[in-house]
Amino acid sequence: NAGVTQTPKFQVLKTGQSMTLQCAQDMNHEYMSWYRQDPGMGLRLIHYSVGAGITDQGEVPNGYNVSRSTTEDFPLRLLSAAPSQTSVYFCASSYAGLGKNIQYFGAGTRLSVL
Amino acid sequence: AQKITQTQPGMFVQEKEAVTLDCTYDTSDPSYGLFWYKQPSSGEMIFLIYQGSYDQQNATEGRYSLNFQKARKSANLVISASQLGDSAMYFCAMREGLGGGSEKLVFGKGTKLTVNP
Repeated sequence: NAGVTQTPKFQVLKTGQSMTLQCAQDMNHEYMSWYRQDPGMGLRLIHYSVGAGITDQGEVPNGYNVSRSTTEDFPLRLLSAAPSQTSVYFCASSYAGLGKNIQYFGAGTRLSVL
Repeated sequence: AQKITQTQPGMFVQEKEAVTLDCTYDTSDPSYGLFWYKQPSSGEMIFLIYQGSYDQQNATEGRYSLNFQKARKSANLVISASQLGDSAMYFCAMREGLGGGSEKLVFGKGTKLTVNP
């Protein structure tokens, strides 16, 4: 049972480069989201989606794009990487009906922008 | 204003003792959910326990229990009989609303728990 799969696990970019962080889930969850974790800051929501074709901004969306063409996949794009985007990125997914809707997290992607 | 406040950056506990990790929250929504996650040094986020705002009883999951004091807006995590493997970062998080599309989580800054042998 794979759960939430993130790739890559590690990435080093130069300022100005672009890349896509991949996230896939096999639990048929409607809700998917991206967080970043910085030292001493907890996790902050970047973007989220409540279903295919529907995305919205979280607390810190600047510099990131997302799309959701399928239920399973929710990629995060950095169009022009900046050193301020050095962070650990987590993807999470959950059901979106009424109830607990526990969010399950991927293993994270550690990104360094030089 | 912070919606989730964890006032203890670090906590130490002796193995086999109980420990309480504090969490206070701020919301005007009468419907909300509170979550605790554990992040060991390996980095993954592990769900521990959930408390809904309308739940009449405090949540329990094995050695974890949640001391939910609604009037004080606090949701403290109690770990009984601490084990060395409990050493980790612990995050409190809140979801405003009871689901149905409002799944956004707001996290606190975390508490680093160290269990001493």
